[in-house]
Amino acid sequence: SAVISQKPSRDICQRGTSLTIQCQVDSQVTMMFWYRQQPGQSLTLIATANQGSEATYESGFVIDKFPISRPNLTFSTLTVSNMSPEDSSIYLCSGRQGARTEAFFGQGTRLTVV
Amino acid sequence: AQSVTQPDIHITVSEGASLELRCNYSYGATPYLFWYVQSPGQGLQLLLKYFSGDTLVQGIKGFEAEFKRSQSSFNLRKPSVHWSDAAEYFCAVASGTYKYIFGTGTRLKVLA
Repeated sequence: SAVISQKPSRDICQRGTSLTIQCQVDSQVTMMFWYRQQPGQSLTLIATANQGSEATYESGFVIDKFPISRPNLTFSTLTVSNMSPEDSSIYLCSGRQGARTEAFFGQGTRLTVV
Repeated sequence: AQSVTQPDIHITVSEGASLELRCNYSYGATPYLFWYVQSPGQGLQLLLKYFSGDTLVQGIKGFEAEFKRSQSSFNLRKPSVHWSDAAEYFCAVASGTYKYIFGTGTRLKVLA
């Protein structure tokens, strides 16, 4: 399957600031997704990144807090805005080619907000 | 509503012992099912997948899983666990909208 390079791998940020996470895929993918994994928890889908249009957000997540870009079929960014300590989590991006294919994941970004 | 349940939060086994991690799902149609492993500080790696066909699925690292429709289960097994298998294991079901629903995960500890 394709390979996703995600960066940064970790960061420590001050509250009130923003962090942009980037994911680059080594081939074109149909679907890209962003997940949050809070400490000791499972993965929660934040949004589906749609190429050339606005992302589709899950309940509890809003564009003002988590703006997403997807300018082409190989690249996406997630910004965590106006951060608070509650935003401390691992953020993962994922790609998938279609319904009968498996998802592949980036290595994750471990974010700590102080 | 679609859901995935992994009843065991933690499992501890001795190296060389057999392993079974449980996964139950709730989904209206025939599901696409997956097992992923996450080592500390790493992303998720696919162990195996089920789309259709043979209900016993072989994966990487000596893992296998069996899809049992009557029990809505997709349990992961390995006949002999290695110390390097210590990690977090996630079961997932894919919906028709391409989205994954993950279970809460099972943390495996392996005793030497």
